[in-house]
Amino acid sequence: AQKITQTQPGMFVQEKEAVTLDCTYDTSDPSYGLFWYKQPSSGEMIFLIYQGSYDQQNATEGRYSLNFQKARKSANLVISASQLGDSAMYFCAMRGPYTNAGKSTFGDGTTLTVKP
Amino acid sequence: NAGVTQTPKFRILKIGQSMTLQCTQDMNHNYMYWYRQDPGMGLKLIYYSVGAGITDKGEVPNGYNVSRSTTEDFPLRLELAAPSQTSVYFCASSQAVDHGYTFGSGTRLTVV
Repeated sequence: AQKITQTQPGMFVQEKEAVTLDCTYDTSDPSYGLFWYKQPSSGEMIFLIYQGSYDQQNATEGRYSLNFQKARKSANLVISASQLGDSAMYFCAMRGPYTNAGKSTFGDGTTLTVKP
Repeated sequence: NAGVTQTPKFRILKIGQSMTLQCTQDMNHNYMYWYRQDPGMGLKLIYYSVGAGITDKGEVPNGYNVSRSTTEDFPLRLELAAPSQTSVYFCASSQAVDHGYTFGSGTRLTVV
């Protein structure tokens, strides 16, 4: 069974600073993928970044990077140069092997508040 | 492109009523999913589909049913609504298993 743990219910960061949102996972499958999604207060879900378990380098997408530490089973999201618009709930999710139809298990989320 | 379109956005049901949540995508994605999000929680998978004519249960399928007659449409049917089904429902689609989901805007359902 897959499990995602996000231990930070809420985080605060000053505008223009970097912030790290924690995510640990548990799986016995050697092949898996990790995702981060953003949910603003308006409620929609937005895909941010993806990391495959066999990817050699950490994924980056603009101001988002995924700090993937396989041995520690962690997949932390780093947001650089925070902006007020980054205030939202952030969810870490994991998919299983390719044969698992892309089904994802989600964590309970971290609420990020960016202070001006 | 519209992406993933969900209707309705809001609905109040009485206990025992039934309804269908509609979901349509125009990206020709084979993979489609229905999740529910309870307050302050992450998403839980209800049903999923890997292509037209193929559906399967997720983590919390009881009280729901789906069909996938076309690539574009993946409606979710609630039979005999119960207060425990009060939630926000998201439909999502994906081009491939290693791609992120494209989500619909969600349906906020209240069962009273």
